[in-house]
Amino acid sequence: GAGVSQSPSNKVTEKGKDVELRCDPISGHTALYWYRQSLGQGLEFLIYFQGNSAPDKSGLPSDRFSAERTGGSVSTLTIQRTQQEDSAVYLCASSPLGGALKPQHFGDGTRLSIL
Amino acid sequence: AQTVTQSQPEMSVQEAETVTLSCTYDTSESDYYLFWYKQPPSRQMILVIRQEAYKQQNATENRFSVNFQKAAKSFSLKISDSQLGDAAMYFCAYRSAEGAQKLVFGQGTRLTINP
Repeated sequence: GAGVSQSPSNKVTEKGKDVELRCDPISGHTALYWYRQSLGQGLEFLIYFQGNSAPDKSGLPSDRFSAERTGGSVSTLTIQRTQQEDSAVYLCASSPLGGALKPQHFGDGTRLSIL
Repeated sequence: AQTVTQSQPEMSVQEAETVTLSCTYDTSESDYYLFWYKQPPSRQMILVIRQEAYKQQNATENRFSVNFQKAAKSFSLKISDSQLGDAAMYFCAYRSAEGAQKLVFGQGTRLTINP
């Protein structure tokens, strides 16, 4: 079975441009997470979707960041007016219903570089 | 808020030897889960082992085992018979049993295996 798929694998863009990052979770997984990993750092939580519930946006660093999840499956993370400090690897994870013990399965991430 | 600390930015071990990676965490919760993830250069986060806080018995997965000390809030990972394929970044992570489902990560430890 397919794992979590993220696209693009790498993205280079100029400061001030908008970018969209895509995550296709494992089929049947109801929970979806976005994390950011800056160079040499651990992962930082951004946003969490669970079924039809309102997303937990508590980790989004600014209002330039937004995410949506259409039809309970694919998710898009959008960064508007990108800044150099947005350069990082953006990782998506999904997990099945069943609480905190269910492990999160991660994609390979999108490496975003802002020139 | 919960925090996770990995005090060893880098570790190295001879192939076939045993190495222990340290992790401490801070929480006021009594029920939670702890994880060790491995991140090879491919960037994908791979679950190595997990521990439920209400279980006193230390988790074991083949060559990987943990030393969970709840009172000390310590969760170290022991890798026995180290193999070249074990070389990677290792991240310790915390997850609440209820409420917020996000993972809180440490800064990571880069493990090098010397042949």
